[in-house]
Amino acid sequence: DGGITQSPKYLFRKEGQNVTLSCEQNLNHDAMYWYRQDPGQGLRLIYYSQIVNDFQKGDIAEGYSVSREKKESFPLTVTSAQKNPTAFYLCASSIDLRTYGYTFGSGTRLTVV
Amino acid sequence: EDKVVQSPLSLVVHEGDTVTLNCSYEVTNFRSLLWYKQEKKAPTFLFMLTSSGIEKKSGRLSSILDKKELFSILNITATQTGDSAIYLCAVGDRGGADGLTFGKGTHLIIQP
Repeated sequence: DGGITQSPKYLFRKEGQNVTLSCEQNLNHDAMYWYRQDPGQGLRLIYYSQIVNDFQKGDIAEGYSVSREKKESFPLTVTSAQKNPTAFYLCASSIDLRTYGYTFGSGTRLTVV
Repeated sequence: EDKVVQSPLSLVVHEGDTVTLNCSYEVTNFRSLLWYKQEKKAPTFLFMLTSSGIEKKSGRLSSILDKKELFSILNITATQTGDSAIYLCAVGDRGGADGLTFGKGTHLIIQP
């Protein structure tokens, strides 16, 4: 079945550490996105990518980095520069940037300990 | 700055009731408004609305867009406990170059 796989489901990070969240899709979608969700907040866009080797900052990119070396993969690194990284992270994909019927992954819950 | 506002933020009703969820928006160049249902983790797509006044229906759920007044409603009739979820409204503009802008969501709880 086609879909988006995020791993791990739960992740604990010590302060000062970088961690990488995985996002893989087999839908042959060109566009991929990373959102952050905090309690009582909507989803906020971190980064998005339209094609391989190209990505753009969203509204809250500071302290995060991404790469898009393969069409299927869009990993997100939460760096030590992100001061409040505890949140639920959702990856999504769509056919292209103009198609809004996103498919979401099941998310990764990151907790700083 | 683009803004999407949902109301109410939380709602508790009894099974069988009808609920109406609201979403108002201010975006630079409106393209589409979408509704998602988020039960535990991954939001699932419900509706995409692009034209004013055309109701979209799926079973007990329906939604309509008013582009003049800049809002949309999501109706759920004969609610069931399985309808309990966070309902997210999102708006896209400028051809999606910046991704979707989401509201904070309405947390709906259906009591038996």
